[in-house]
Amino acid sequence: QITLKESGPTLVKPTQTLTLTCTVSGSSVSNSGVGVGWIRQPPGKALEWLALIYWDDDKRYNPSLKRRLTITKDTSKNQVVLRMTNMDPVDTATYYCAHWWTFGESFDYWGQGTLVTVSS
Amino acid sequence: DIVMTQSPLSLPVTPGESASISCRSSQSLLHSNGYNYLGWYLQKPGQSPHLLIFLASKRASGVPDRFSGSGSGTDFTLKISRVEAEDVGVYYCMQTLQTPGYTFGQGTKLEIK
Repeated sequence: QITLKESGPTLVKPTQTLTLTCTVSGSSVSNSGVGVGWIRQPPGKALEWLALIYWDDDKRYNPSLKRRLTITKDTSKNQVVLRMTNMDPVDTATYYCAHWWTFGESFDYWGQGTLVTVSS
Repeated sequence: DIVMTQSPLSLPVTPGESASISCRSSQSLLHSNGYNYLGWYLQKPGQSPHLLIFLASKRASGVPDRFSGSGSGTDFTLKISRVEAEDVGVYYCMQTLQTPGYTFGQGTKLEIK
């Protein structure tokens, strides 16, 4: 059974940098065909894909947010970290990490999500 | 960016009846390998999304056969036969052909009449 759990601050101030960690169990982030992505959802709104890192350390970013995002992985801890700079109140959202399944070209397992509020 | 447009945005359904959700993409999602890079996800109230359908028509593990996906190119449909109360939530389509730049549809809220 694959599980993912997000961790990080629940409240950040405008202009600060958000750092979120996704801890993966039941699957190795270095296994061929595996990736971990981040998706966010503002309250009452739709899902928005942010970034994805593959087993071979290849990385993909949402073009509209690319300048603010950095995704990395720590294979020794089986974790993936997302950094988002210059946070703004419009970035208030639930942030999900999800397990990417290359064969199915889809996110087959999702974390429970973590609500991040941006406010001074 | 590939724009994904779902319809309807709200879908009231009587239990036992069938329901269909449309998802249209602004560009073809047909890969050269013959697969359409389109997935369907369901987000039940208060929960994380979960995968229903991948590659346009393949059911994910554990998904009841009441759920089926069809379509190719730019037009896709999720059909739910014999809707049950547990099917309520928001359904999203997502394209993964254009990398980077994966995009979701706006979501369709299914509710029970």
